[in-house]
Amino acid sequence: GQNIDQPTEMTATEGAIVQINCTYQTSGFNGLFWYQQHAGEAPTFLSYNVLDGLEEKGRFSSFLSRSKGYSYLLLKELQMKDSASYLCAVTGGSTLGRLYFGRGTQLTVWP
Amino acid sequence: DGGITQSPKYLFRKEGQNVTLSCEQNLNHDAMYWYRQDPGQGLRLIYYSQIVNDFQKGDIAEGYSVSREKKESFPLTVTSAQKNPTAFYLCASSIGQANTEAFFGQGTRLTVV
Repeated sequence: GQNIDQPTEMTATEGAIVQINCTYQTSGFNGLFWYQQHAGEAPTFLSYNVLDGLEEKGRFSSFLSRSKGYSYLLLKELQMKDSASYLCAVTGGSTLGRLYFGRGTQLTVWP
Repeated sequence: DGGITQSPKYLFRKEGQNVTLSCEQNLNHDAMYWYRQDPGQGLRLIYYSQIVNDFQKGDIAEGYSVSREKKESFPLTVTSAQKNPTAFYLCASSIGQANTEAFFGQGTRLTVV
């Protein structure tokens, strides 16, 4: 089976840096995605890791350690519009392209 | 513009009625997926289809049905057998290969009244 764990809620202030962790235990692993979802809207793609290490994309970075089953999403220079749910998702197993999602981390950014 | 479209955005249904949610994509993607999202829970897979005229049950298929007669379309029917249908439903599509990004529709919020 697939088990993906991430914190339920986090808070931070504008301009700060926040790290959202995700741990996973999966039968088969191909890659890990991070999505952002504002309330009542569609998830939108943020980043993707398949190899160990850090992927940087503007204010957002994502890290993966396959041996530890661990990833984090790092958000720098936080803005109010970054208040959203952040979803960690893993691909793997027998169904190509299928994503297994964690419960999401609701981030609130305060002024 | 390429994308994935769900309709309607809001839907109300009386208990005991079937209702069909629409999902259309013009991205030429082979794979399509239906997820259900409840407050405080992650996205749970209802059904998926990796190719036209074929689909598979996901983790919570009971009370739902789908069809995939065209590559562009993957409608979801919520039947009266679904005991707790009020939820946010998301449709997604992808190329269907390993490590490919999924694109999501805007979602349909279904409320049973």
